[in-house]
Amino acid sequence: NAGVTQTPKFQVLKTGQSMTLQCAQDMNHNSMYWYRQDPGMGLRLIYYSASEGTTDKGEVPNGYNVSRLNKREFSLRLESAAPSQTSVYFCASSEQNTDTQYFGPGTRLTVL
Amino acid sequence: QQQVKQSPQSLIVQKGGIPIINCAYENTAFDYFPWYQQFPGKGPALLIAIRPDVSEKKEGRFTISFNKSAKQFSLHIMDSQPGDSATYFCAASLENAGNMLTFGGGTRLMVKP
Repeated sequence: NAGVTQTPKFQVLKTGQSMTLQCAQDMNHNSMYWYRQDPGMGLRLIYYSASEGTTDKGEVPNGYNVSRLNKREFSLRLESAAPSQTSVYFCASSEQNTDTQYFGPGTRLTVL
Repeated sequence: QQQVKQSPQSLIVQKGGIPIINCAYENTAFDYFPWYQQFPGKGPALLIAIRPDVSEKKEGRFTISFNKSAKQFSLHIMDSQPGDSATYFCAASLENAGNMLTFGGGTRLMVKP
């Protein structure tokens, strides 16, 4: 039982490049989330998926897209990376109608 | 607009001390207030949580105090240990809002031996 896994762990991009961050959970959770963590700002919600087949914008969605591929997987895509997207990205999941979110280990992204 | 404000940003205490981390929120509709603990290189993990129908909740050495009228809540760590050194985040969420958490800015705690 791995919980929430994320790949890659580290990534360096040049401005304008694109990439997809992968997230998978093996807890049979319905809801999944993408956050970014920046110093002094806590974690901010980018997108979430309340259930398979649905996605909604969070607090900071600009510059990102998401895909809920199936119940297990939720990916985050940067189409044209910008230095302002340098951050640590966390994926999380939770059971529907419960409050506890389980976080992955994070992806540290640097955009030059 | 930061809906959950957390203080202090950093805190240093001696082993056995009682660090206190405070959070204030603006949205009176929030109805769930968790605290997450994060160690370096790891994702946050739920530590303890409270709902506004109680004023205090205790789990082991960790206690949440909640003041609904002041829209404030705080985390107290009794008999703190070096292993408690981590970053702590308070958060808040709305029932029936997809469990979306609004986080405070975080407090980096160091407990000296």
